[in-house]
This record gives sequence, C-alpha cells and structure tokens, in this order.
Amino acid sequence: DAKTTQPPSMDCAEGRAANLPCNHSTISGNEYVYWYRQIHSQGPQYIIHGLKNNETNEMASLIITEDRKSSTLILPHATLRDTAVYYCIVRVAGSQGNLIFGKGTKLSVKP
Amino acid sequence: DAGITQSPRHKVTETGTPVTLRCHQTENHRYMYWYRQDPGHGLRLIHYSYGVKDTDKGEVSDGYSVSRSKTEDFLLTLESATSSQTSVYFCAIRETGSSGNTIYFGEGSWLTVV
Repeated sequence: DAKTTQPPSMDCAEGRAANLPCNHSTISGNEYVYWYRQIHSQGPQYIIHGLKNNETNEMASLIITEDRKSSTLILPHATLRDTAVYYCIVRVAGSQGNLIFGKGTKLSVKP
Repeated sequence: DAGITQSPRHKVTETGTPVTLRCHQTENHRYMYWYRQDPGHGLRLIHYSYGVKDTDKGEVSDGYSVSRSKTEDFLLTLESATSSQTSVYFCAIRETGSSGNTIYFGEGSWLTVV
C-alpha cells in the first residue's frame, strides 16, 4: 500500500501557484519524498525529490516540514500543460525496486 | 527523457500468441524495470533487472518473462497473451545520484489482446 495521503483533486487558476499537499506521517528517517506526475497517455514524469531540506529545480519546489510528516509540491506559475495526476511517493534511497504509486492528486489548471 | 525507447508503441494481438516488448536505453544504467498500468490499479511492477542476466520478479509477474542479455536492452515477453494482459506497459530505468536515486519512465507501450 502507498504510504502517502493526497487529496484526490485540486483546481488551480492559470498563472497562479499550485500547492499540492502530501501527508506521509509514517515516513522513516532514510526515506526520501519523491514527486512524479502523469499527463494523460504519457509515462510518469519525475519532478523532484528531497530528504529533509527544501528543494527547488526548474520545474517545482518541494517544501518538507521539519518533522518530515508532510510536504508540499509547489508549481510557481501553473500553466494548462501542468494539468496532470501528481503522485507523492516515499522511498528508501538505494532500494532496488519499486516505486509504489498511490492514487495521486488530479490537478486541473483552468484558464 | 533519460534515453529510454520502447517498442512497439502500440500493438494488437490475438489471445494465445506470444508478444515481446522491448525497452532500449542509451545511458548504461544498471537497473531497468517493467511496469503495467491499469485503471483502478495504478502502476504495478512486473519484473526488474539489476544487471545483465540478473532479473527478479515484481508484484504481478505471473504470465510474464524477461531477459537482459545486454545492458541496453530489457525484453518483456508474454508467452501466451491473454485478454487480462491488455494494458499499457512502461519501462523505467534507475539513475543513481548523490542524493538518492531516481527512476525515469519511458513513454509506454499500449497492448491490446483480442
């Protein structure tokens, strides 16, 4: 089972910041938080990951709470092309297998 | 796109026929994966490989076999396709970095078994 909880859906106005929350209250000390998204009919796309510190790249920012029990993915200026299902996943660094995808959050960016 | 190419991208086949899907990577990654994605089930791991000739089963391996005779290619074979294997199949690779490792996915292969 997925070890994360996300809202099933969210709306965001185009040009605004999209803030996607994720709860991972049982996260272990050696587990990273990963975010992926899947645009309809495409393969899952890696966005960002982090352990403790906040992270930023060209796509998004990841804010992890100090107790690491929750995080927020921020798309600073959402566009229509950001409409997708966003998945928050916790995973041990260096583990051989699997990413366990939950149901994710369906983000709809509206004009 | 992490240099992953899946082929064929779309295939329709008949029940009982063998089918092989190919995943090709250009960046010499050690780990490769095959997933399937179905409505209501999300992404599920079929098999993975951690090197040439080194493979292991995932969550839904029944009815599938894999082979990895060279680093760049990971083949998924359905020995005798069934309608329950109609799905979209994603190949993935694992890239190792200084801050953990990251899995990147291919664009998918749509398989319909009639």
